[in-house]
Amino acid sequence: AQSVTQLDSQVPVFEEAPVELRCNYSSSVSVYLFWYVQYPNQGLQLLLKYLSGSTLVESINGFEAEFNKSQTSFHLRKPSVHISDTAEYFCAVSETGGYNKLIFGAGTRLAVHP
Amino acid sequence: KAGVTQTPRYLIKTRGQQVTLSCSPISGHRSVSWYQQTPGQGLQFLFEYFSETQRNKGNFPGRFSGRQFSNSRSEMNVSTLELGDSALYLCASSFALAGDGDTQYFGPGTRLTVL
Repeated sequence: AQSVTQLDSQVPVFEEAPVELRCNYSSSVSVYLFWYVQYPNQGLQLLLKYLSGSTLVESINGFEAEFNKSQTSFHLRKPSVHISDTAEYFCAVSETGGYNKLIFGAGTRLAVHP
Repeated sequence: KAGVTQTPRYLIKTRGQQVTLSCSPISGHRSVSWYQQTPGQGLQFLFEYFSETQRNKGNFPGRFSGRQFSNSRSEMNVSTLELGDSALYLCASSFALAGDGDTQYFGPGTRLTVL
């Protein structure tokens, strides 16, 4: 069975500061890794995902995440955040061959202050 | 291209009733998954359908069921509602051509309140 741990339930940060949202996972099989974002009263949107290949993946809005197999981590980073990045961020894994079943972490609420 | 649509967006029911939620996937998507989101339990996988067949099921009681139609639209049904079923129910669709690892596109959800 897989599990996902997001180490911080809330992360407050000032605008234009860097941020890291931490995610660790546990699985006995190969997994795919995802970061989703949820804005208030909306569904989830995919930020980025790791399937294979380069361990550093980037999104179009400046976020990046690095897959670290030895530490079973997939931390999300952004060098300079904006007020509009305020949202809840979810790390998720799916088992290879698992028919898209996503196991989510508890979420990290990112609050960007001016 | 239209996104994933879910109807209704809000629903209020009383204990013991049953409810049916609907999900229309993005055109061309053949896989539909359902998730329950609550403050206490977070996001939990309910089930996934592909070409009208349930391929995967989460750890929920039999009161939760679903189905998928030939046009890929999906419904989920909850019978004998309990207070704890109050949640945001999210539907997600994907092409599922590769079998897994596909990007899942989520709808806005149906907010179910059980009184």
